[in-house]
Amino acid sequence: DAGVIQSPRHEVTEMGQEVTLRCKPISGHNSLFWYRQTMMRGLELLIYFNNNVPIDDSGMPEDRFSAKMPNASFSTLKIQPSEPRDSAVYFCASRNLAGGPNEQFFGPGTRLTVL
Amino acid sequence: GQSLEQPSEVTAVEGAIVQINCTYQTSGFYGLSWYQQHDGGAPTFLSYNALDGLEETGRFSSFLSRSDSYGYLLLQELQMKDSASYFCAVSGAGSYQLTFGKGTKLSVIP
Repeated sequence: DAGVIQSPRHEVTEMGQEVTLRCKPISGHNSLFWYRQTMMRGLELLIYFNNNVPIDDSGMPEDRFSAKMPNASFSTLKIQPSEPRDSAVYFCASRNLAGGPNEQFFGPGTRLTVL
Repeated sequence: GQSLEQPSEVTAVEGAIVQINCTYQTSGFYGLSWYQQHDGGAPTFLSYNALDGLEETGRFSSFLSRSDSYGYLLLQELQMKDSASYFCAVSGAGSYQLTFGKGTKLSVIP
Protein backbone atom coordinates (compact mmCIF):
# COMPACT_ATOMS: atom_id res chain seq x y z
CA ASP A 1 0.00 0.00 0.00
CA ALA A 2 1.32 3.45 -0.87
CA GLY A 3 0.12 5.04 2.34
CA VAL A 4 -1.48 8.46 2.53
CA ILE A 5 -0.34 10.64 -0.35
CA GLN A 6 -0.12 14.41 -0.12
CA SER A 7 0.79 17.00 -2.71
CA PRO A 8 2.60 19.22 -3.04
CA ARG A 9 5.28 18.36 -0.49
CA HIS A 10 6.45 21.96 -0.39
CA GLU A 11 4.65 25.13 -1.35
CA VAL A 12 5.98 28.66 -1.28
CA THR A 13 3.53 31.38 -2.14
CA GLU A 14 2.94 35.06 -1.62
CA MET A 15 0.43 36.59 0.70
CA GLY A 16 -2.98 36.87 -0.88
CA GLN A 17 -2.57 33.92 -3.22
CA GLU A 18 -4.82 30.88 -3.18
CA VAL A 19 -3.28 27.65 -1.96
CA THR A 20 -4.71 24.17 -2.54
CA LEU A 21 -3.38 21.14 -0.70
CA ARG A 22 -4.31 17.66 -1.83
CA CYS A 23 -4.66 14.33 -0.10
CA LYS A 24 -5.30 10.77 -1.19
CA PRO A 25 -6.17 8.54 1.78
CA ILE A 26 -5.27 4.89 2.08
CA SER A 27 -7.61 2.77 -0.02
CA GLY A 28 -10.42 1.40 2.10
CA HIS A 29 -10.12 4.04 4.79
CA ASN A 30 -13.34 5.94 5.35
CA SER A 31 -12.26 8.65 7.77
CA LEU A 32 -9.95 11.52 6.81
CA PHE A 33 -8.38 14.22 8.96
CA TRP A 34 -6.59 17.48 8.17
CA TYR A 35 -4.07 18.77 10.73
CA ARG A 36 -1.82 21.81 10.96
CA GLN A 37 1.46 21.72 12.86
CA THR A 38 3.45 24.72 14.06
CA MET A 39 6.04 25.15 16.79
CA MET A 40 3.79 27.48 18.72
CA ARG A 41 0.48 25.63 18.52
CA GLY A 42 1.58 22.04 18.02
CA LEU A 43 -0.55 19.59 16.05
CA GLU A 44 -4.08 20.91 15.62
CA LEU A 45 -7.04 19.17 14.05
CA LEU A 46 -8.65 21.39 11.43
CA ILE A 47 -11.45 19.22 10.10
CA TYR A 48 -12.37 15.60 9.66
CA PHE A 49 -14.63 13.60 7.37
CA ASN A 50 -16.39 10.28 7.84
CA ASN A 51 -17.54 8.60 4.63
CA ASN A 52 -16.78 11.82 2.72
CA VAL A 53 -19.04 13.91 4.99
CA PRO A 54 -17.53 16.71 7.10
CA ILE A 55 -18.18 15.85 10.74
CA ASP A 56 -16.36 18.53 12.69
CA ASP A 57 -14.82 21.68 11.22
CA SER A 58 -14.55 23.59 14.48
CA GLY A 59 -10.77 23.63 14.15
CA MET A 60 -10.81 25.53 10.86
CA PRO A 61 -9.27 28.86 11.87
CA GLU A 62 -11.41 31.15 9.75
CA ASP A 63 -13.44 31.49 6.60
CA ARG A 64 -10.32 31.67 4.49
CA PHE A 65 -9.96 27.92 5.02
CA SER A 66 -12.20 25.39 3.31
CA ALA A 67 -12.01 21.64 2.79
CA LYS A 68 -13.77 19.23 0.50
CA MET A 69 -13.92 15.50 0.00
CA PRO A 70 -15.71 14.85 -3.28
CA ASN A 71 -15.07 11.10 -3.15
CA ALA A 72 -13.50 8.44 -0.98
CA SER A 73 -10.08 8.79 -2.56
CA PHE A 74 -9.50 12.53 -2.64
CA SER A 75 -9.66 15.57 -0.41
CA THR A 76 -8.51 19.17 -0.70
CA LEU A 77 -7.75 21.90 1.79
CA LYS A 78 -7.89 25.38 0.34
CA ILE A 79 -6.68 28.66 1.79
CA GLN A 80 -7.88 31.80 0.05
CA PRO A 81 -6.39 34.33 0.51
CA SER A 82 -3.28 33.02 2.22
CA GLU A 83 -1.47 34.97 4.95
CA PRO A 84 2.03 34.61 6.43
CA ARG A 85 0.57 33.22 9.66
CA ASP A 86 -0.74 30.25 7.68
CA SER A 87 2.84 29.04 7.26
CA ALA A 88 2.95 25.57 8.78
CA VAL A 89 3.14 21.88 7.94
CA TYR A 90 -0.25 20.51 6.95
CA PHE A 91 -0.85 16.82 7.47
CA CYS A 92 -3.58 14.62 6.15
CA ALA A 93 -4.36 11.38 7.98
CA SER A 94 -6.79 8.55 7.39
CA ARG A 95 -8.16 5.54 9.22
CA ASN A 96 -10.72 2.83 8.86
CA LEU A 97 -13.70 3.51 11.09
CA ALA A 98 -14.04 -0.20 11.69
CA GLY A 99 -10.37 -0.51 12.47
CA GLY A 100 -8.57 -1.17 15.69
CA PRO A 101 -7.14 1.03 18.37
CA ASN A 102 -7.87 4.49 16.98
CA GLU A 103 -4.77 4.41 14.80
CA GLN A 104 -4.49 7.20 12.29
CA PHE A 105 -2.10 6.96 9.35
CA PHE A 106 -0.44 10.24 8.46
CA GLY A 107 0.78 11.43 5.12
CA PRO A 108 4.21 13.03 4.70
CA GLY A 109 2.78 16.53 5.02
CA THR A 110 2.87 19.70 2.97
CA ARG A 111 5.23 22.39 4.19
CA LEU A 112 3.59 25.71 3.36
CA THR A 113 5.45 28.99 3.42
CA VAL A 114 3.51 32.19 2.81
CA LEU A 115 5.74 35.20 2.19
CA GLY B 1 -12.64 20.99 26.04
CA GLN B 2 -9.54 18.90 26.21
CA SER B 3 -6.00 19.69 27.35
CA LEU B 4 -2.89 17.58 27.75
CA GLU B 5 0.36 18.18 29.57
CA GLN B 6 3.65 16.49 28.83
CA PRO B 7 7.27 17.55 29.34
CA SER B 8 8.73 19.53 26.48
CA GLU B 9 12.13 17.87 26.47
CA VAL B 10 13.81 14.77 27.89
CA THR B 11 17.40 13.58 27.49
CA ALA B 12 18.50 10.01 28.14
CA VAL B 13 21.51 7.81 27.55
CA GLU B 14 21.64 5.07 24.94
CA GLY B 15 20.67 1.74 26.48
CA ALA B 16 18.79 3.33 29.34
CA ILE B 17 15.07 3.49 30.13
CA VAL B 18 13.00 6.66 29.85
CA GLN B 19 9.44 7.44 30.86
CA ILE B 20 7.40 10.21 29.26
CA ASN B 21 4.39 11.28 31.28
CA CYS B 22 1.11 12.69 30.09
CA THR B 23 -1.74 14.13 32.11
CA TYR B 24 -4.98 15.12 30.53
CA GLN B 25 -8.21 16.94 31.20
CA THR B 26 -11.14 16.10 29.03
CA SER B 27 -14.89 16.38 29.11
CA GLY B 28 -15.22 12.89 27.69
CA PHE B 29 -12.55 10.23 27.47
CA TYR B 30 -12.28 7.12 25.36
CA GLY B 31 -8.58 6.36 25.12
CA LEU B 32 -4.99 7.58 25.17
CA SER B 33 -2.71 7.17 22.17
CA TRP B 34 1.00 7.75 21.63
CA TYR B 35 2.64 8.85 18.40
CA GLN B 36 6.27 9.24 17.40
CA GLN B 37 7.53 11.91 15.03
CA HIS B 38 11.08 12.23 13.75
CA ASP B 39 12.30 15.64 12.63
CA GLY B 40 10.88 16.40 9.21
CA GLY B 41 8.68 13.33 9.30
CA ALA B 42 5.07 12.46 9.92
CA PRO B 43 3.57 11.22 13.18
CA THR B 44 3.39 7.45 13.40
CA PHE B 45 1.24 5.44 15.76
CA LEU B 46 2.92 3.67 18.66
CA SER B 47 0.27 2.52 21.11
CA TYR B 48 -3.21 2.91 22.48
CA ASN B 49 -4.76 2.40 25.91
CA ALA B 50 -8.48 2.40 26.57
CA LEU B 51 -8.34 0.46 29.83
CA ASP B 52 -6.21 0.89 32.92
CA GLY B 53 -2.91 -0.91 32.90
CA LEU B 54 0.18 -1.53 30.87
CA GLU B 55 0.35 -2.38 27.17
CA GLU B 56 3.67 -3.72 25.91
CA THR B 57 4.91 -3.67 22.34
CA GLY B 58 8.52 -4.66 22.06
CA ARG B 59 10.77 -2.06 23.65
CA PHE B 60 7.86 0.33 24.10
CA SER B 61 5.16 0.13 26.76
CA SER B 62 2.28 2.44 27.53
CA PHE B 63 0.35 2.81 30.75
CA LEU B 64 -2.98 4.37 31.59
CA SER B 65 -4.73 5.27 34.83
CA ARG B 66 -8.20 6.59 34.04
CA SER B 67 -8.89 7.56 37.65
CA ASP B 68 -5.77 9.75 37.70
CA SER B 69 -6.18 11.05 34.13
CA TYR B 70 -2.60 10.02 33.62
CA GLY B 71 -0.56 7.90 31.31
CA TYR B 72 3.02 7.34 30.31
CA LEU B 73 5.13 5.93 27.54
CA LEU B 74 8.08 3.78 28.60
CA LEU B 75 10.96 3.26 26.23
CA GLN B 76 13.50 0.58 27.14
CA GLU B 77 16.95 -0.20 25.77
CA LEU B 78 17.10 3.23 24.19
CA GLN B 79 18.67 3.49 20.76
CA MET B 80 19.91 6.57 18.94
CA LYS B 81 17.08 6.16 16.44
CA ASP B 82 14.58 6.72 19.26
CA SER B 83 15.52 10.41 19.24
CA ALA B 84 12.25 11.99 18.15
CA SER B 85 9.22 13.82 19.47
CA TYR B 86 6.56 11.80 21.26
CA PHE B 87 2.96 12.94 21.43
CA CYS B 88 0.18 11.75 23.65
CA ALA B 89 -3.33 12.18 22.30
CA VAL B 90 -6.79 11.67 23.72
CA SER B 91 -9.91 10.59 21.96
CA GLY B 92 -13.30 11.48 23.36
CA ALA B 93 -16.23 9.16 23.81
CA GLY B 94 -18.15 8.77 20.58
CA SER B 95 -15.54 10.68 18.64
CA TYR B 96 -12.90 9.52 16.22
CA GLN B 97 -10.87 12.66 16.49
CA LEU B 98 -7.66 13.01 18.45
CA THR B 99 -6.47 15.95 20.52
CA PHE B 100 -2.69 15.98 20.71
CA GLY B 101 -0.36 17.22 23.42
CA LYS B 102 2.45 19.60 22.49
CA GLY B 103 4.94 16.74 22.34
CA THR B 104 8.09 15.70 24.20
CA LYS B 105 11.37 15.96 22.36
CA LEU B 106 13.53 13.00 23.36
CA SER B 107 17.24 13.20 22.78
CA VAL B 108 19.22 9.99 23.15
CA ILE B 109 22.91 10.59 23.78
CA PRO B 110 25.79 8.11 23.57
